[in-house]
Amino acid sequence: GESVGLHLPTLSVQEGDNSIINCAYSNSASDYFIWYKQESGKGPQFIIDIRSNMDKRQGQRVTVLLNKTVKHLSLQIAATQPGDSAVYFCAEGYALTGNQFYFGTGTSLTVIP
Amino acid sequence: GAVVSQHPSRVICKSGTSVKIECRSLDFQATTMFWYRQFPKKSLMLMATSNEGSKATYEQGVEKDKFLINHASLTLSTLTVTSAHPEDSSFYICSVPGQPQHFGDGTRLSIL
Repeated sequence: GESVGLHLPTLSVQEGDNSIINCAYSNSASDYFIWYKQESGKGPQFIIDIRSNMDKRQGQRVTVLLNKTVKHLSLQIAATQPGDSAVYFCAEGYALTGNQFYFGTGTSLTVIP
Repeated sequence: GAVVSQHPSRVICKSGTSVKIECRSLDFQATTMFWYRQFPKKSLMLMATSNEGSKATYEQGVEKDKFLINHASLTLSTLTVTSAHPEDSSFYICSVPGQPQHFGDGTRLSIL
């Protein structure tokens, strides 16, 4: 399968600061990317997605940036809150099928009150 | 509301027991579902694709006879861990296809 990796396994930020989580993907043919949040003992929860025809997409307090040239994906969380503490995964796949996705190793985000 | 329901959420059993995990699609009929395995502090590893009306497609390295998958209907897929051993202890998660893919809340399997 594709190789999707994250640069930093852990990240600690002060409450109220912005967080940036990075991800590198290896399959240049992937055209659909998703960020998931996983809390302890639960399944992944969808945060935001982006297709390869875009380089930026914004949601509520979150922004995903896609750089296809260097195959890099990032998730920005504005005004990080304690409830944002979790493990964050990026996943890559194909929009046409919506099928198999391959996940990166994950980044554990800890928000310090 | 929930899109995917997974049951049980936790199971503890003795070595040698077979354990069945159910994954239900609540909002739509799913001809495929996906099964993942996750070790502590690790990422999700795709195990297999469950196909309604046909055999499951397993990822390389996943034992078909150990992890039996049945896609009984368009809303139900089951994963049976046969003759489970302690090394099968893990967090198993199912998902349904889509944009984005939605996941169940997982099953924590502990084999004593």
